[in-house]
Amino acid sequence: SQQGEEDPQALSIQEGENATMNCSYKTSINNLQWYRQNSGRGLVHLILIRSNEREKHSGRLRVTLDTSKKSSSLLITASRAADTASYFCATARMNTGNQFYFGTGTSLTVIP
Amino acid sequence: GAGVSQSPSNKVTEKGKDVELRCDPISGHTALYWYRQSLGQGLEFLIYFQGNSAPDKSGLPSDRFSAERTGGSVSTLTIQRTQQEDSAVYLCASSFSAGEHPAGSYNEQFFGPGTRLTVL
Repeated sequence: SQQGEEDPQALSIQEGENATMNCSYKTSINNLQWYRQNSGRGLVHLILIRSNEREKHSGRLRVTLDTSKKSSSLLITASRAADTASYFCATARMNTGNQFYFGTGTSLTVIP
Repeated sequence: GAGVSQSPSNKVTEKGKDVELRCDPISGHTALYWYRQSLGQGLEFLIYFQGNSAPDKSGLPSDRFSAERTGGSVSTLTIQRTQQEDSAVYLCASSFSAGEHPAGSYNEQFFGPGTRLTVL
């Protein structure tokens, strides 16, 4: 079964607004990654946060990780139309080598 | 440099036929993954290769699916006696090996463009 579940399944916002997506997972992890997928560029890695980190920033992206709640959030600030894509979290479970589990994704639409 | 490449980009086949999908990982990446993505769904892990170790086949949905990786580089995913439910986009990804490695890109996976398989 899938390890990660994103929430919401779909999100529509106006350009300039912030978008927040959440990911919940079930077992202990080594790290959690967020990926973006759109028709033009395929799946692209955005950011990785390790299990001993609580927050990480990369440009307009902010990721938080709460291992006690087994959840992560991805915040995209000052959204742009080009941010329209599906966003997936992927978890690397502990003691499973390099096996990754992807959630079902959040479909984000940014309206110009 | 070159990214992960996959071929063919599209494959249409008849039910019952065998298909082979190819993945060329990024040079120097020792880890290689295959995933399947059905329409509107997330990625389903299929198989993972790491160097010369035995592959992790725990995600393969049936014995009709198999994969090999020759010389630690190119990988081929084979689906025998294809069924309509096999229709999906098959994605390949590569990465450095588990553990610490350059540029802090711990376990970052680089994905290929995928092969869209349609079984009629």
